[in-house]
Amino acid sequence: EIVMTQSPVTLSVSPGERATLSCRASQSVSTNLAWYQQKPGQAPRLLIYGASTRATGIPARFSGSGSGTEFTLTISSLQSEDFAVYYCQQYNNWPYTFGQGTKLEIK
Amino acid sequence: QVQLQESGPGLVKPSQTLSLTCTVAGVSISSGGFYWNWVRQHPGKGLEWIGFIYYNGLTYYNPSLKSRLTISVDTSKNHFSLKLSSVTAADTAVYYCARGGFFDPWGPGTLVTVSS
Repeated sequence: EIVMTQSPVTLSVSPGERATLSCRASQSVSTNLAWYQQKPGQAPRLLIYGASTRATGIPARFSGSGSGTEFTLTISSLQSEDFAVYYCQQYNNWPYTFGQGTKLEIK
Repeated sequence: QVQLQESGPGLVKPSQTLSLTCTVAGVSISSGGFYWNWVRQHPGKGLEWIGFIYYNGLTYYNPSLKSRLTISVDTSKNHFSLKLSSVTAADTAVYYCARGGFFDPWGPGTLVTVSS
């Protein structure tokens, strides 16, 4: 099983600033990496797939990068609605696995 | 617009079987091209992939649950189902269904509590 490790666990950022979230895989997943946003009481929402492709309707302030074992989600200018928990997920190998999440909170 | 909706009992007794169904609207499961997944989230915790089924019945289960798990599909009703046997309190979670290898869309989720 591929272990996905996200850092940091909690990230405190002020609105309008940039947030950078990291995700590391225990072995290469190529670019078969997705990012999700989850708000309390809601299902996760797909943000990024293929490591860098924004899903339909996702604002351009969200961007993803990386390949192999190291990935980054960047939110260029935080809006109030962006404060949530973010998960990465690899779909290169079965079983699919998620990172433990990064909570993005208001500073 | 593709929509998924989970349904099933919200309370299951220990040692019994948890059964959920995910009804798909807006696309036919039998058209192929996508895996149909179950994912769960323990209260206050992260996401755990349970397994998937393809329209032709091909399945893959998370090894951690494989011995207790059955996922099936009914293309005539355009839904797929999950059965998890011998449940314990550790199976209390919100259960989601979702389409794909990367998951989009998701159902809203249903909380299943295992308790006597």
